[in-house]
Amino acid sequence: GQQVMQIPQYQHVQEGEDFTTYCNSSTTLSNIQWYKQRPGGHPVFLIQLVKSGEVKKQKRLTFQFGEAKKNSSLHITATQTTDVGTYFCAGPSNDYKLSFGAGTTVTVRA
Amino acid sequence: NAGVTQTPKFQVLKTGQSMTLQCAQDMNHNSMYWYRQDPGMGLRLIYYSASEGTTDKGEVPNGYNVSRLNKREFSLRLESAAPSQTSVYFCASNLDGATYEQYFGPGTRLTVT
Repeated sequence: GQQVMQIPQYQHVQEGEDFTTYCNSSTTLSNIQWYKQRPGGHPVFLIQLVKSGEVKKQKRLTFQFGEAKKNSSLHITATQTTDVGTYFCAGPSNDYKLSFGAGTTVTVRA
Repeated sequence: NAGVTQTPKFQVLKTGQSMTLQCAQDMNHNSMYWYRQDPGMGLRLIYYSASEGTTDKGEVPNGYNVSRLNKREFSLRLESAAPSQTSVYFCASNLDGATYEQYFGPGTRLTVT
């Protein structure tokens, strides 16, 4: 079945630095969603990408959907302590189910 | 609006005990989901309900049952708890399927000893 892989599993970042987390699917996706989970919290929807090559920005976060619609990335510039948490990507595995990646857990050194 | 609510927040069970996790949403969503979250494994789908009156298995359904009681409520039952079911359980809902964002409840932390 469809699987979504995320790398890296952990990202330790100095405050102010940039980093990128990557998401890869074994199949073409109709859309990809990104979620953020703060420590001790629940996942919260960030964004959905639908079009091939689509790029969307939310302040310091830039999301990209690959041309083949099989990969995606999240790039964070000038990391802040508020960026701490786990970022998940998720793609549909049927009309109703989402397959979530294992997540990238981000810690920030002040 | 409360969004998605879950009860209880915490639970400790002994092996072999049963319990039901409750979930309710007030957003008039058609689809509801139960996930479990274990360290390093992301969110794994246990069961989902595409719409009122339907339920389907996800990736890891063994040892669980669900009931879509009405459009608002979707419960998860552990008939005979096992230590392998120690996890954090999240309920989620969305308007209608995989093209819509999911809204998650606060989670239930379950420990089975």
